[in-house]
Amino acid sequence: EPEVTQTPSHQVTQMGQEVILRCVPISNHLYFYWYRQILGQKVEFLVSFYNNEISEKSEIFDDQFSVERPDGSNFTLKIRSTKLEDSAMYFCASSDLAGGTDTQYFGPGTRLTVL
Amino acid sequence: GQNIDQPTEMTATEGAIVQINCTYQTSGFNGLFWYQQHAGEAPTFLSYNVLDGLEEKGRFSSFLSRSKGYSYLLLKELQMKDSASYLCAVRDGVTGGGNKLTFGTGTQLKVEL
Repeated sequence: EPEVTQTPSHQVTQMGQEVILRCVPISNHLYFYWYRQILGQKVEFLVSFYNNEISEKSEIFDDQFSVERPDGSNFTLKIRSTKLEDSAMYFCASSDLAGGTDTQYFGPGTRLTVL
Repeated sequence: GQNIDQPTEMTATEGAIVQINCTYQTSGFNGLFWYQQHAGEAPTFLSYNVLDGLEEKGRFSSFLSRSKGYSYLLLKELQMKDSASYLCAVRDGVTGGGNKLTFGTGTQLKVEL
């Protein structure tokens, strides 16, 4: 069964450093998302991406964040200058319009620890 | 604004039935999803409702009442592996994809012998 993959599974970085989180969405999906989950808290939407542009973003997704689809398979989230409060699990998700449900399928996540 | 409420935790016995409730007040509505999340893992899709009524999928069923802003997830013949967090999520955009999910805090279900 096709699945979303993410690398790395765990990233440790120093405050102020740049990180890039990578995702490979399900191959025939057209819509891509990033969510984050701070330990013990709920899953929060960051950004959605369609047709090579951002379709929606949350207040969390400020100028320090960017997304890119550099080729036909990868979808990346970049945090330019990490802060302690960016420590969280970051989930990538993808969806299509099959059957009209547009279900979002999540990758296994990248645990980001900012020291 | 978006507000989604679920009980924080529930306990049930192996083999029993459990119902996890979710109420929501959102600025828009285009479907309600239930996901299962084991600790440290990704949310896994369980069910979807966009029209009122019951959707059944094996041991799992989900119900929606749009007029009441209410949904529940019903788990039958509980197994130990069903111990997990169950997340209620509302999609608030129009049909066509690219629409964010707003999640509740999740209900931690513990299945005991």
